[in-house]
Amino acid sequence: SYEVTQPPSVSVSPGQTASITCSGDKLGDKYACWYQVKPGQSPVLVIYQDIQRPSGIPERFSGSKSGNTATLTISGTQAMDEADYYCQVWDSGTVVFGGGTKLTVL
Amino acid sequence: QVQLVGSGGGVVQSGRSLRLSCAVSGFTFSNYGMHWVRQAPGKGLEWVAVTSYDGSNKNYVDSVKGRFTISRDNSKNTLYLQMNSLRAEDTAVYYCAKDDGTGGTSFMDVWGKGTTVTVSS
Repeated sequence: SYEVTQPPSVSVSPGQTASITCSGDKLGDKYACWYQVKPGQSPVLVIYQDIQRPSGIPERFSGSKSGNTATLTISGTQAMDEADYYCQVWDSGTVVFGGGTKLTVL
Repeated sequence: QVQLVGSGGGVVQSGRSLRLSCAVSGFTFSNYGMHWVRQAPGKGLEWVAVTSYDGSNKNYVDSVKGRFTISRDNSKNTLYLQMNSLRAEDTAVYYCAKDDGTGGTSFMDVWGKGTTVTVSS
């Protein structure tokens, strides 16, 4: 079955840029999206179709893709951005989530 | 306002059954595919199942195939997940989510609050 890989954790200082990667075989041929999950809350879609930002999501959240790696970038990271982030792709009629990345804002 | 309200969770013994419901409002339910996603304690998100807008196409993660059934009643704006032969590893918070993908992609733009299922041995 298809798999995508994320780093378990990323740390960033407030105001700096955080980057979270998501890699998978032939990911370049698929769309990736990203969800933010805070403790005790439901997931929130922050990026879809690699680079699109839903309405209501701050501009500091952006997505990109190069080859088989998708990247979620948070510019000017704020304390409120501390959360778990999951990438997700659609493969052969099923949804595949990455293992999640814990973003710590130090 | 778009709302998805999950219900039906609880504590159940291993081997028993449970049915989750997700009541939807604020959008035309019959136009969209829907998903169930779960998160076990201390673990990541795991996709469980998807149904197409009309219920004609369904798919499941391998670990629940043959035990879980996703269904929908478009006349009642409600999504269901029938869970049979429950196991301890099914213990999780279960979320229903609206699909907003088109042709070649799928992503979930709206999520419900989640309902907790605990399977005791």
